[in-house]
Amino acid sequence: NAGVTQTPKFQVLKTGQSMTLQCAQDMNHNSMYWYRQDPGMGLRLIYYSASEGTTDKGEVPNGYNVSRLNKREFSLRLESAAPSQTSVYFCASSQGSTRVEQYFGPGTRLTVT
Amino acid sequence: QKEVEQDPGPLSVPEGAIVSLNCTYSNSAFQYFMWYRQYSRKGPELLMYTYSSGNKEDGRFTAQVDKSSKYISLFIRDSQPSDSATYLCAMTFSGYSTLTFGKGTMLLVSP
Repeated sequence: NAGVTQTPKFQVLKTGQSMTLQCAQDMNHNSMYWYRQDPGMGLRLIYYSASEGTTDKGEVPNGYNVSRLNKREFSLRLESAAPSQTSVYFCASSQGSTRVEQYFGPGTRLTVT
Repeated sequence: QKEVEQDPGPLSVPEGAIVSLNCTYSNSAFQYFMWYRQYSRKGPELLMYTYSSGNKEDGRFTAQVDKSSKYISLFIRDSQPSDSATYLCAMTFSGYSTLTFGKGTMLLVSP
């Protein structure tokens, strides 16, 4: 069992470029999440998906889009990257609809110059 | 006032010490309280969670919730260098609502 995997591990973008962060889980979880973690700000929820085919905005959704491709995969897209999106991005998943026990991936470190 | 407050540390202790990590919160509607551990450059992992008030013990770790004071604690007995990490508290209104995280406390346990 790989758990939650994320690609890429590191990425450097120029302002205005686009990219997609990929996330997959092999635990048959229904719910998946995207967070960003910044120094002094803690973990903040960007988007989440309670089940295949549904997505909802979290605390900081501006500048991002998501796709729940199937039960396993949940991708995060930056259409036009900005320096304020420099952060570490974590994907997580949880069993059923419960949010309490979330399993996190290893993270993607993104720098936007 | 932030919903969840957590001292960022670092908290430095010698091996074998009892460690107390704490969070305060402002919203009395929170019902589930979690502690996540995050090693450097890794994703967070859930240590334990409690529902409503009371204590929960798991090995060297004890989580305590005092809803009247809006205060939660994580105690680590016989701390080890391998406990050196950032500890994040999180809480939610129900099992089906999104989590609110604290900013994390960095713990350093020296041999």
